[in-house]
Amino acid sequence: DTAVSQTPKYLVTQMGNDKSIKCEQNLGHDTMYWYKQDSKKFLKIMFSYNNKELIINETVPNRFSPKSPDKAHLNLHINSLELGDSAVYFCASSHPYSPLHFGNGTRLTVT
Amino acid sequence: DQQVKQNSPSLSVQEGRISILNCDYTNSMFDYFLWYKKYPAEGPTFLISISSIKDKNEDGRFTVFLNKSAKHLSLHIVPSQPGDSAVYFCAASGGQGAQKLVFGQGTRLTINP
Repeated sequence: DTAVSQTPKYLVTQMGNDKSIKCEQNLGHDTMYWYKQDSKKFLKIMFSYNNKELIINETVPNRFSPKSPDKAHLNLHINSLELGDSAVYFCASSHPYSPLHFGNGTRLTVT
Repeated sequence: DQQVKQNSPSLSVQEGRISILNCDYTNSMFDYFLWYKKYPAEGPTFLISISSIKDKNEDGRFTVFLNKSAKHLSLHIVPSQPGDSAVYFCAASGGQGAQKLVFGQGTRLTINP
């Protein structure tokens, strides 16, 4: 009965590779998000989608491309991975103007 | 540009006592504030929120206080229990970025038996 699930939980890859993180929510929420928690532990928003439409796109390199095939899914594809991309990536969902429900995170390590 | 700051990286409290976690913000457009709790290897979970039209919101052992003039909010947990040991994040949103939560860097709370 997981509400927001993201896979994989851990991802170790080499610089230059392309990888994807998948996210699914079964809460019926219209809005989904990607947040990044960096080495200093700050959680910062990257993207937000409402009903498959991109509504927030923070200053994120073009190498990061979110894709929402339907309102229950928001995947994150990262091209040409760099060392600085190492972080924990959290997917979240919510009804508009309501608290976010987060997944358990994907720890990405780029070597 | 840290708009939400939690100046105490860690806090240690005796079981049964009150835990007080603090948060300051700089953006006067923020009108909705939340606290999240995070256990290791899990995502943050919503704890309690407050809108700027209130100065206090209570839910069981958790109370959030908002002082708009000081741009300060605090989370009180009483009595503190061992299961409360976690990292607590303060978050805020409002204005044009109403759907964009800005988080503080978290405070690690340890409840000692």
